[in-house]
Amino acid sequence: NAGVTQTPKFRVLKTGQSMTLLCAQDMNHEYMYWYRQDPGMGLRLIHYSVGEGTTAKGEVPDGYNVSRLKKQNFLLGLESAAPSQTSVYFCASSYSSTSGKPWGNEQFFGPGTRLTVL
Amino acid sequence: AQTVTQSQPEMSVQEAETVTLSCTYDTSENNYYLFWYKQPPSRQMILVIRQEAYKQQNATENRFSVNFQKAAKSFSLKISDSQLGDTAMYFCAFMKYGSSNTGKLIFGQGTTLQVKP
Repeated sequence: NAGVTQTPKFRVLKTGQSMTLLCAQDMNHEYMYWYRQDPGMGLRLIHYSVGEGTTAKGEVPDGYNVSRLKKQNFLLGLESAAPSQTSVYFCASSYSSTSGKPWGNEQFFGPGTRLTVL
Repeated sequence: AQTVTQSQPEMSVQEAETVTLSCTYDTSENNYYLFWYKQPPSRQMILVIRQEAYKQQNATENRFSVNFQKAAKSFSLKISDSQLGDTAMYFCAFMKYGSSNTGKLIFGQGTTLQVKP
């Protein structure tokens, strides 16, 4: 049981380049999330998904796109990277509100991806 | 909109002593959850403790306990008998409660705690 994994762990991009971050979970969680962590700002939600084939915007969605084609995977895309997107990106997953699991169930986080845009 | 504020960017404590990290939040919701997450230097986010707003009793997990003051919208974390392994950044987080809940977390800015030997 690997939990939540993220690929890659580190990446350096030039302004204007594109890339995709992959998140995978093996816990059969319905909900998945992408956060970014910046100094002094905590973690902020970029996009999230409440099920396969569905996505929604979070607090800071501009410049990012996401897809959830399979329940276990959640992809975060940067079409044209900008220096302001230099950050540490975290993926997380959890059970849904209708899963029968206790409310306030824990979000399980991946190890993060450190992205630098030059 | 909900906001979470951690006003202590950095704190330090001697090993074996007790330290309290502060967190305040703003919401118009009556039912919600509050969390403390720990992020050690490894960067891995780890759930420390959670509190349901409808419960009067403060949550405890071994050396970790909270002081939840709903009227004051305050949610502090107390770490007793601090250990070197407690050195980490700690995040306070808020989650709405309800059938339409999507599990989104609102995080505070974080408090970096250093435990000194």
